Amino acid sequence: SQTIHQWPATLVQPVGSPLSLECTVEGTSNPNLYWYRQAAGRGLQLLFYSVGIGQISSEVPQNLSASRPQDRQFILSSKKLLLSDSGFYLCAWSPGGYGYTFGSGTRLTVV
Amino acid sequence: RKEVEQDPGPFNVPEGATVAFNCTYSNSASQSFFWYRQDCRKEPKLLMSVYSSGNEDGRFTAQLNRASQYISLLIRDSKLSDSATYLCVVTNSGGYQKVTFGIGTKLQVIP
Repeated sequence: SQTIHQWPATLVQPVGSPLSLECTVEGTSNPNLYWYRQAAGRGLQLLFYSVGIGQISSEVPQNLSASRPQDRQFILSSKKLLLSDSGFYLCAWSPGGYGYTFGSGTRLTVV
Repeated sequence: RKEVEQDPGPFNVPEGATVAFNCTYSNSASQSFFWYRQDCRKEPKLLMSVYSSGNEDGRFTAQLNRASQYISLLIRDSKLSDSATYLCVVTNSGGYQKVTFGIGTKLQVIP
């Protein structure tokens, strides 16, 4: 069966520090992968999606970036975090677009 | 107008009650519809898809009204364990399949 792993679960980072969140999927190949952010009291916001290795599309301009170095690995990064980057970050995969399976999420607090 | 709108609630209902949530969407070309459940500080999980003819899964019934552009979720005989936030999800054709999440409706079932 397919599983999605995301880490770390929680993270507290100072403003201006770098960020790297990793997501891996098992049990499937060539999945569509997504990074979402959920800010307090707000809906899920799509940040990036990828349909294959090295293929990244950005939905919202910001100081975040994403990379897909391997078929089942998706990484979210930032060179310098802002306070507004705080939120619940969720990686998701879709087997061709029908529904999502989410990772357990990373709760990021920028202080 | 937001692409997907939901009443954030909270809906406080007694155990055993029937409760219904609506979700409206703005794009008449929207293709697929889902309800997700999100427990506090957890990732969203697929509850059920929504089909044009309506569909039922145990105590849960989902309906789609394309003419009025809304979907609904009905929960019968509410259980304490139904307490969660229910997210409406709408997908549109957009190459990778654009997915939009509603802000969610919070349900609290009271003993």
